[in-house]
Amino acid sequence: SQTIHQWPATLVQPVGSPLSLECTVEGTSNPNLYWYRQAAGRGLQLLFYSVGIGQISSEVPQNLSASRPQDRQFILSSKKLLLSDSGFYLCACGVTGGAIRAYTFGSGTRLTVV
Amino acid sequence: AQSVTQLDSHVSVSEGTPVLLRCNYSSSYSPSLFWYVQHPNKGLQLLLKYTSAATLVKGINGFEAEFKKSETSFHLTKPSAHMSDAAEYFCVVSEYDYKLSFGAGTTVTVRA
Repeated sequence: SQTIHQWPATLVQPVGSPLSLECTVEGTSNPNLYWYRQAAGRGLQLLFYSVGIGQISSEVPQNLSASRPQDRQFILSSKKLLLSDSGFYLCACGVTGGAIRAYTFGSGTRLTVV
Repeated sequence: AQSVTQLDSHVSVSEGTPVLLRCNYSSSYSPSLFWYVQHPNKGLQLLLKYTSAATLVKGINGFEAEFKKSETSFHLTKPSAHMSDAAEYFCVVSEYDYKLSFGAGTTVTVRA
């Protein structure tokens, strides 16, 4: 089974500072990788997904970017954080095997921009 | 396009009574459907999933859900709520292997 390592667990950053959240996956190869954000009082929103190294699809225009430098590494970044970037960020891994689709989620990073 | 509607943003039940969380979906294809639970400050945990096998799906912690194609529903139930069930629950639909759509979530409160 897959394991997702996501860090840090909590982060407080000032407005205008850069951001780098890292996610690594164990137990599988060539997974689909995702970044989600959960804003207070709202559901999860897909930010980025990747089906392979260097392949990034963005779902919503925003102040963030994503990169996948290695097969099992997915990074969420920002050059200058905004207050509206505060939220709970989840990395997820999707593995297909025939008709079964299994998704595993990291423990999340709670980001507060002050 | 796929979408999910969770009909209740908040559900409050007494310990030992049944829990019902409602979910309707929209999908152009035969979807896979999931229920996830998120406890405070924790990541998402899979409760159960439907992937075109049996329409009644049993999950962990006594939860189950029934896929009803005619009603485009995938409601989550548990016959007897426990205090540890207090959490946020997400209904999720997947049409393709690389995209998931989440409902807005239902917060469950369990009263002693």
